[in-house]
Amino acid sequence: DAGVIQSPRHEVTEMGQEVTLRCKPISGHNSLFWYRQTMMRGLELLIYFNNNVPIDDSGMPEDRFSAKMPNASFSTLKIQPSEPRDSAVYFCASSLLFRGLNTEAFFGQGTRLTVV
Amino acid sequence: AQKITQTQPGMFVQEKEAVTLDCTYDTSDQSYGLFWYKQPSSGEMIFLIYQGSYDEQNATEGRYSLNFQKARKSANLVISASQLGDSAMYFCAMREESNAGKSTFGDGTTLTVKP
Repeated sequence: DAGVIQSPRHEVTEMGQEVTLRCKPISGHNSLFWYRQTMMRGLELLIYFNNNVPIDDSGMPEDRFSAKMPNASFSTLKIQPSEPRDSAVYFCASSLLFRGLNTEAFFGQGTRLTVV
Repeated sequence: AQKITQTQPGMFVQEKEAVTLDCTYDTSDQSYGLFWYKQPSSGEMIFLIYQGSYDEQNATEGRYSLNFQKARKSANLVISASQLGDSAMYFCAMREESNAGKSTFGDGTTLTVKP
């Protein structure tokens, strides 16, 4: 298996522009997580899907952030409009939910977003 | 209250020696899982080891072992025979059944292995 695939790996955009981050989870995994990592705030869980349904989006910072999972093999995280404080590394991770607990999560390589 | 506490922001260890990275957790669940991840300077997050709350034996994976003390709510990572490539940030994480299975991460410990 190729693992969790994220694209793009790096994104530089101007303030106010729309940014879309993409994720392909590991085949067979039924849980998907979007995280944001910054020096100041560490690793934050933004949103969590189970079987393509958003279970918890309490970590989504503002209405400017939205996430979708139209099918089991694809998810997007969109920021519109982007702001410089959104600059961070965004990770997607997937795992298998079994008997109420997730197995270990496998992370993608991350997308380093810079908003100038 | 923090769910996962890693009290050591930074640790140093001599090559070939063992090192323990601390992790304490807070939960009222009976069913939960504890995980350790490694993040080298290249940025990827690498799963290392898992301990289930009902597991009676401490988990081991090669040079990694998890010192699980349930009553004390601690899940320390032990790395034996440290190598230069072990220099990285290490994160402890927990998943709780009552929390819909989602994970909570600690702030991490930066480990530096000295030659």
